[in-house]
Amino acid sequence: DTEVTQTPKHLVMGMTNKKSLKCEQHMGHRAMYWYKQKAKKPPELMFVYSYEKLSINESVPSRFSPECPNSSLLNLHLHALQPEDSALYLCASSPPGGLYQETQYFGPGTRLLVL
Amino acid sequence: AQSVTQLDSQVPVFEEAPVELRCNYSSSVSVYLFWYVQYPNQGLQLLLKYLSGSTLVESINGFEAEFNKSQTSFHLRKPSVHISDTAEYFCAVSGGGKLIFGQGTTLQVKP
Repeated sequence: DTEVTQTPKHLVMGMTNKKSLKCEQHMGHRAMYWYKQKAKKPPELMFVYSYEKLSINESVPSRFSPECPNSSLLNLHLHALQPEDSALYLCASSPPGGLYQETQYFGPGTRLLVL
Repeated sequence: AQSVTQLDSQVPVFEEAPVELRCNYSSSVSVYLFWYVQYPNQGLQLLLKYLSGSTLVESINGFEAEFNKSQTSFHLRKPSVHISDTAEYFCAVSGGGKLIFGQGTTLQVKP
């Protein structure tokens, strides 16, 4: 199994809703990442988890709350989002150890629309 | 600090013609370089990478890139493109647990 999966593929939510994005990998990777990508732009890093601990938070607003329940699963909890948060949310993971950890493998993304 | 510059925002090319997508980087530490491809409405797929060893790296679908330390470049090339190569291509450099992306190059392959 060499893939990162993300659910749901699409999500429409109002500004008062609470929703969660889910990311899963079964490759034994120990680092997992959340990115936000706007149209025609490169991905922007949001959070990094290393061995289930939050290691990087790129000053993301608190309406985004990450969670890493175990080494295979990464969630992104969403609450009180704004329309400008509409984007493609990408999850990635990287293997442990040496040079291998430099390579990130991405999931297909969740396309989020905030109304 | 590390940075990546993709010199062309769009590259139109006819089918079966050769193509080069240019990427220059800036880094003060060890360099790990990547090309990712993003097809419409999809996530990023790793196309090829340079971590160490041979400076010429190849992908399974005919792309290649050469790490040139003196010119701080990692240009992507393909000798003959296909319509299905139409996509957004991102060059990236890794360091400190982060991927730093260029702004992307849209490859438009015309019949």
